[in-house]
Amino acid sequence: NAGVTQTPKFRVLKTGQSMTLLCAQDMNHEYMYWYRQDPGMGLRLIHYSVGEGTTAKGEVPDGYNVSRLKKQNFLLGLESAAPSQTSVYFCASSPTEGLAGVTGELFFGEGSRLTVL
Amino acid sequence: AQSVTQLDSQVPVFEEAPVELRCNYSSSVSVYLFWYVQYPNQGLQLLLKYLSGSTLVKGINGFEAEFNKSQTSFHLRKPSVHISDTAEYFCAVIRIYNQGGKLIFGQGTELSVKP
Repeated sequence: NAGVTQTPKFRVLKTGQSMTLLCAQDMNHEYMYWYRQDPGMGLRLIHYSVGEGTTAKGEVPDGYNVSRLKKQNFLLGLESAAPSQTSVYFCASSPTEGLAGVTGELFFGEGSRLTVL
Repeated sequence: AQSVTQLDSQVPVFEEAPVELRCNYSSSVSVYLFWYVQYPNQGLQLLLKYLSGSTLVKGINGFEAEFNKSQTSFHLRKPSVHISDTAEYFCAVIRIYNQGGKLIFGQGTELSVKP
């Protein structure tokens, strides 16, 4: 029962380096999300996708890019990492149903801890 | 735009005591409401949700929450906590009829249960 899998789980970068976080889900969910979690700030939405080939900005999109070329994968890229991007990143997916189009029940990965020096 | 405020960042309680974690939201449209729990070094998992119907909803592990539309609150309660309930709890909202599907989280409340 894989669910939502994030890779890598840990990464240390130097300022200015680039990297990509990969999220894969095997539940055939339409919606996928990238959040970052920082102490005292809860989870903030970076980008999300409502289906293959679509992406949209969340609350804190600056400095990040995303792609959803395949339904099961959602990639988060940092083109030029900054210390302010040190955080724990969570990917989540959600099925579509109900009046809202989504149930609000998100299935989360275990997180990717990124440190930018 | 909607927002979520969790009024307590940390709540320490003794084992077997009751607990209430407070959540208030603001939105110009109707919303669905949720509580998620995050155990140490894990992702979040759904604890309970309010979509419609009875304003008192029951979730896993003996937790319940009450939706109060007039006070725009969705407080989480448990009559008797266990050590294993130590975790961070997040309140969240999503707009109804919004195909964008953005779930907005509060800042989180750390529940610490002491023996």
